[in-house]
Amino acid sequence: GQSLEQPSEVTAVEGAIVQINCTYQTSGFYGLSWYQQHDGGAPTFLSYNALDGLEETGRFSSFLSRSDSYGYLLLQELQMKDSASYFCAVRGTGFQKLVFGTGTRLLVSP
Amino acid sequence: DGGITQSPKYLFRKEGQNVTLSCEQNLNHDAMYWYRQDPGQGLRLIYYSQIVNDFQKGDIAEGYSVSREKKESFPLTVTSAQKNPTAFYLCASSPGPQETQYFGPGTRLLVL
Repeated sequence: GQSLEQPSEVTAVEGAIVQINCTYQTSGFYGLSWYQQHDGGAPTFLSYNALDGLEETGRFSSFLSRSDSYGYLLLQELQMKDSASYFCAVRGTGFQKLVFGTGTRLLVSP
Repeated sequence: DGGITQSPKYLFRKEGQNVTLSCEQNLNHDAMYWYRQDPGQGLRLIYYSQIVNDFQKGDIAEGYSVSREKKESFPLTVTSAQKNPTAFYLCASSPGPQETQYFGPGTRLLVL
């Protein structure tokens, strides 16, 4: 089976840097994805890591360590609009199914 | 504009009633998916389809049914057998089975 763990909530102030961690257990591994979801909205794709290391996309970066079954999403120069839930998701080998974590709610305050 | 549309935005179901949620995409994606999200929870896979006229059960398929008669359409029926249907339903598609999934705006289903 597959399971993921993320913190339930993280708080930070505008302009700060925050890291959201994700640890996973999976029988096979094909990649770690991150999605952002604002309240009442649909998840939107942020990043994908198939190999170890850091992927940077603007203010957001994502990191993966396959040997540690661990990844994180790094958000820099936080803005109020970054307040949302962030989900990590893993894709095992074989089928294409994405398994989602329960999400981390990020609250950015002024 | 290319994208995924879901309708209706809100849907009310009476006891014992079947309801159908619409999902349409004009992205020319082969794979489509249905997820259920409960408050404060992650997404759970209901059904998925890799190609037209083919679909497979996900983790929580009981009480749901789907069809994939056209590439761009993947409707979900919530049957009366689903005893706790109140949730946010999300449809997604991807170019291929192992590629990034893109989500529609969702349908919120409520039971009267």
